[in-house]
Amino acid sequence: KQEVTQIPAALSVPEGENLVLNCSFTDSAIYNLQWFRQDPGKGLTSLLLIQSSQREQTSGRLNASLDKSSGRSTLYIAASQPGDSATYLCAVRNRDDKIIFGKGTRLHILP
Amino acid sequence: EPEVTQTPSHQVTQMGQEVILRCVPISNHLYFYWYRQILGQKVEFLVSFYNNEISEKSEIFDDQFSVERPDGSNFTLKIRSTKLEDSAMYFCASSEWSGTQTSTDTQYFGPGTRLTVL
Repeated sequence: KQEVTQIPAALSVPEGENLVLNCSFTDSAIYNLQWFRQDPGKGLTSLLLIQSSQREQTSGRLNASLDKSSGRSTLYIAASQPGDSATYLCAVRNRDDKIIFGKGTRLHILP
Repeated sequence: EPEVTQTPSHQVTQMGQEVILRCVPISNHLYFYWYRQILGQKVEFLVSFYNNEISEKSEIFDDQFSVERPDGSNFTLKIRSTKLEDSAMYFCASSEWSGTQTSTDTQYFGPGTRLTVL
C-alpha cells in the first residue's frame, strides 16, 4: 500500500533563505508526482508536476526533483518570501490510478 | 483563466439526509476527481471519473457515495445518508489528462465545499 511522508511537518525560516521540502513514497511504481500549496481554508494550487520518466521540473523560484528508485522528491524554494507561507503537499499517482497525498509541510516565512 | 467552481461553499445537513455537492470542471478537461479533507487531516482521494465512468475509487468511496456527470458541464458527488464522520471539506478537481504523452495530469482544484453533518 502506497504511503507518502513529508518531512518536516512544519518549518519556519527567515525571509530570503533557500529551503528544501521533502517527500518520500514507499512504492516506486508511480505515474507522476505533483506538488501543491494550500493556503488556510482554501483549495489546492498546483505548483509542479513531474512525470515518472522525468528527474526535475522548474517554475520560477521553485524546483522539484524526483528520484523514483529511492522513492524521494524534493521541492526547492529559492529566495523565500512571506507570500510563500502555506502548507505544501505532495501527491503521487499510482499505477492503479489512485492518488495518495502526504500530510504536508506547514511553511512559515518570517519577515 | 479557467477555473474549477464548486457549489455550495458550505452545506449543513442533518445526519441521515442526502446531499449533492456540485462541481463545474474546466471545460476542455477529461478527468475529474473528488477528494475530501477532514479538518486537520490530509487530503484523501475518493474517486476519479473518465469517459463517463468511474476510473478508480478508494476504500472510502463506499455504496453511500455516487458520482454523476448529468450534463456536459456539471460533475456531482452524492452522499445518500450522511453520517457525522462525513463532515469535511470536499474538493473537486479536473485535469486534461487522457493517458497520452501529450496530455498533462496537472490537477486543478476547486475552492471546496465545507460539509457539516449535525
